[in-house]
Amino acid sequence: DTAVSQTPKYLVTQMGNDKSIKCEQNLGHDTMYWYKQDSKKFLKIMFSYNNKELIINETVPNRFSPKSPDKAHLNLHINSLELGDSAVYFCASSQVSGGQGNIQYFGAGTRLSVL
Amino acid sequence: GDSVTQMEGPVTLSEEAFLTINCTYTATGYPSLFWYVQYPGEGLQLLLKATKADDKGSNKGFEATYRKETTSFHLEKGSVQVSDSAVYFCALSERSPGYNKLIFGAGTRLAVHP
Repeated sequence: DTAVSQTPKYLVTQMGNDKSIKCEQNLGHDTMYWYKQDSKKFLKIMFSYNNKELIINETVPNRFSPKSPDKAHLNLHINSLELGDSAVYFCASSQVSGGQGNIQYFGAGTRLSVL
Repeated sequence: GDSVTQMEGPVTLSEEAFLTINCTYTATGYPSLFWYVQYPGEGLQLLLKATKADDKGSNKGFEATYRKETTSFHLEKGSVQVSDSAVYFCALSERSPGYNKLIFGAGTRLAVHP
């Protein structure tokens, strides 16, 4: 079983469209994250949810809206897609409470191409 | 704010060569330090970690020592293989009550040739 799974793996769409990326983790972790990796491989955190509560929101345009229906899921919805949104988006999870919070486990990524 | 600086790549080596990828950090407090590896087309995998000064993390022949005096966490391997070709990321964990945030270096691409 994949620990952190994202869908879709590839997403090609036109500028101005709205799209969603889904993430699920089966590790029982209490915290989930979204990272963006640009074309130069640079990784930057976008959001983090702890027990369904938003705790990190890193100066991301409000066209990006994360939603966490439960601890095991964190979805990312993007409105009015722009060319600059093209990147690989990674979901991750970790167990923060209980002293194991430093290790984050990553999904395989979603490659978003905006045309 | 906290930051991580890695040596620029790509690093190109022949099989069985010695590898060093430099990593230095700037942080307030005492972060945990990590090396993650990203194989082509895949997500990031934890390679090794160290949680306090002088700790040595090791895995799959790779090792790195948390050096507080030089704020460094250099990755080394004595004899690389073609299968080690990947992008390597140094990271620190910035932690506050209720969350932890990974801050990554820019990544170093390693290419190993037979």
